[in-house]
Amino acid sequence: DIQMTQSPSSLSASVRDRVTITCRASQSIRKSLNWYQQKPGKAPKLLIYATSSLQSGVPSRFSGSGSGTDFTLTISSLQPEDFATYYCQETFTTLTFGGGTKVEIK
Amino acid sequence: QVQLAESGGGLVEPGGSLRLSCAASGFIFSDFYMTWIRQAPGKGLEWVSYISSRGSSIYYTDSVKGRFTISRDNAKNSLYLQMNSLRADDTAVYYCARVNAQLGVDIIDHWGQGTLVTVSS
Repeated sequence: DIQMTQSPSSLSASVRDRVTITCRASQSIRKSLNWYQQKPGKAPKLLIYATSSLQSGVPSRFSGSGSGTDFTLTISSLQPEDFATYYCQETFTTLTFGGGTKVEIK
Repeated sequence: QVQLAESGGGLVEPGGSLRLSCAASGFIFSDFYMTWIRQAPGKGLEWVSYISSRGSSIYYTDSVKGRFTISRDNAKNSLYLQMNSLRADDTAVYYCARVNAQLGVDIIDHWGQGTLVTVSS
């Protein structure tokens, strides 16, 4: 099975900071990589699909890149509502998630 | 609008069984793959199982193979997860979710509210 490794597991940042989260697959998943945001007590919300496509309604400060085994999620200017946990997910074989990255207020 | 409503969670002893159900509405259920995803308290998301639109293809994560069975009844717009030989590490909120395809990539575009399964003596 493909393993998905996210880093860091947590980070502290300030409003308007640029934030980058990485996700590494144990084997090539081409561009079959999604990103979700989850807030406490809520179901996850899709942000980015197919590595770099922005889901409808998601602010343009979110972007994704990568291919093969290495992927990144970037938040260009962190907003108060962006403090949450972010998960990558491969859909090349199954629907495996990465371990998550908690973005906290500095 | 799309709605997914899980039921069947609760407290069960180790080695016991539970059957989760998910009632779907607001879309043509038989057109979509469906999946179960769980989240242990304070932990990350874990994909558990998914089933094709007609039920002909089924996949499980390794930790539940041989213990859990996913199924669906398209006539009743319902998804199920039969969980046997439950262990403490199966304790989690279990989400029912819809799998959609965008640009040739599967996405999870709708989630239920989740149902809590607690395995404890």
